[in-house]
Amino acid sequence: SQTIHQWPATLVQPVGSPLSLECTVEGTSNPNLYWYRQAAGRGLQLLFYSVGIGQISSEVPQNLSASRPQDRQFILSSKKLLLSDSGFYLCAWSVNGGGETQYFGPGTRLLVL
Amino acid sequence: SQQGEEDPQALSIQEGENATMNCSYKTSINNLQWYRQNSGRGLVHLILIRSNEREKHSGRLRVTLDTSKKSSSLLITASRAADTASYFCATGQYGNKLVFGAGTILRVKS
Repeated sequence: SQTIHQWPATLVQPVGSPLSLECTVEGTSNPNLYWYRQAAGRGLQLLFYSVGIGQISSEVPQNLSASRPQDRQFILSSKKLLLSDSGFYLCAWSVNGGGETQYFGPGTRLLVL
Repeated sequence: SQQGEEDPQALSIQEGENATMNCSYKTSINNLQWYRQNSGRGLVHLILIRSNEREKHSGRLRVTLDTSKKSSSLLITASRAADTASYFCATGQYGNKLVFGAGTILRVKS
């Protein structure tokens, strides 16, 4: 069966520090991968998606970047965190694109102070 | 911008009652999905209904889709305390996106 992992689960970082969040998927090959951010009490905002190694699409201009160095690994990064980067970050995968069913990781809660 | 808009924003019911949540959207879709999120956790996929379907069932869940009105409803029958969660509709767009609404917070009191 397929599983998706995210770490860390919780992170507290000072403003201006770098960020690296990792997501890995097991039990499937060539998944579509997604990074979302969820503000408190809100829906999900798509940040990045990837259909293959090295292929990244950005949905919103921002202080973050994403990379996919391996087929089942998706990394969210920042060189200098802003207060507004605080939130709940969710990674997801799908078998196909086209807005089909997505399977979510447990999330990383980021607090920037 | 968000595509789906859930209604109500919050719903509180007694255990055993039915819960109905609605979702409206604005553009053409490939499918519409419902997800559940327990507090502080990731989302769990509940059900997917395609644009050429009108109704779908899964256990205690019933989903309807009216593409002429661009709306969907999720009915949870015989609710349980464990159904307490946030529920999100998401529209599957042609391409690679799911666009999520802001969600309905459901509280089931025992």
